[in-house]
Amino acid sequence: QVQLVESGGGLVKPGGSLRLSCAASGFTFSDYYMSWIRQAPGKGLEWVSYISSSGSTIYYADSVKGRFTISRDNAKNSLYLQMNSLRAEDTAVYYCAREGGDDNYFHYWGQGTLVTVSS
Amino acid sequence: QLVLTQSPSASASLGASVKLTCTLSSGHRSYAIAWHQQQPEKGPRCLMKLNSDGSHSKGDGIPDRFSGSSSGAERYLTISSLQSEDEADYFCQTWGTGFRVFGGGTKLTVL
Repeated sequence: QVQLVESGGGLVKPGGSLRLSCAASGFTFSDYYMSWIRQAPGKGLEWVSYISSSGSTIYYADSVKGRFTISRDNAKNSLYLQMNSLRAEDTAVYYCAREGGDDNYFHYWGQGTLVTVSS
Repeated sequence: QLVLTQSPSASASLGASVKLTCTLSSGHRSYAIAWHQQQPEKGPRCLMKLNSDGSHSKGDGIPDRFSGSSSGAERYLTISSLQSEDEADYFCQTWGTGFRVFGGGTKLTVL
């Protein structure tokens, strides 16, 4: 079955950096677009970034553009999010999600990893 | 700009039915959406994709109690025979080149 397991969250000071990982299994990772989505405490869901199956197409939400970088390693079945210049408002649970083959809604979600930005 | 609008809260009694609504902004009524459920302290899970014509395809293991329908710019999620585990947040989501968008979510309380 499809499994997505995020890791790398933690406490970081404002201005700091963190790299999140998402380990995928149960499907052919290189066939699917992948996304990062976040959820601030007590708030709704906010899409962060997506990457195409080959990694050639990438988009970001305006709130993270220029600070976050999404990438993938299809040989390792892994998705990454490099987060730089972190702000208090980046505090959230970060989820990775697999999109569909023919459409781009989130078919499968991970369990999330918490990122806390605080001094 | 594409916006999805959901009522912040809804409630219904155990065993009853409830219909949640997601409204697409003007000029975007042809978009398909997806419904996602997030139970307390859990990650979201996908319930279904819902097309503008009301056809829908459900996610793995989603019970028949969950169904979708559409009318114009409105997309609906109907949950019948409500159970206690249906108490959750429900989010609609749509997509296009360069963007993915969520509605604000509806918190469903099962009385």
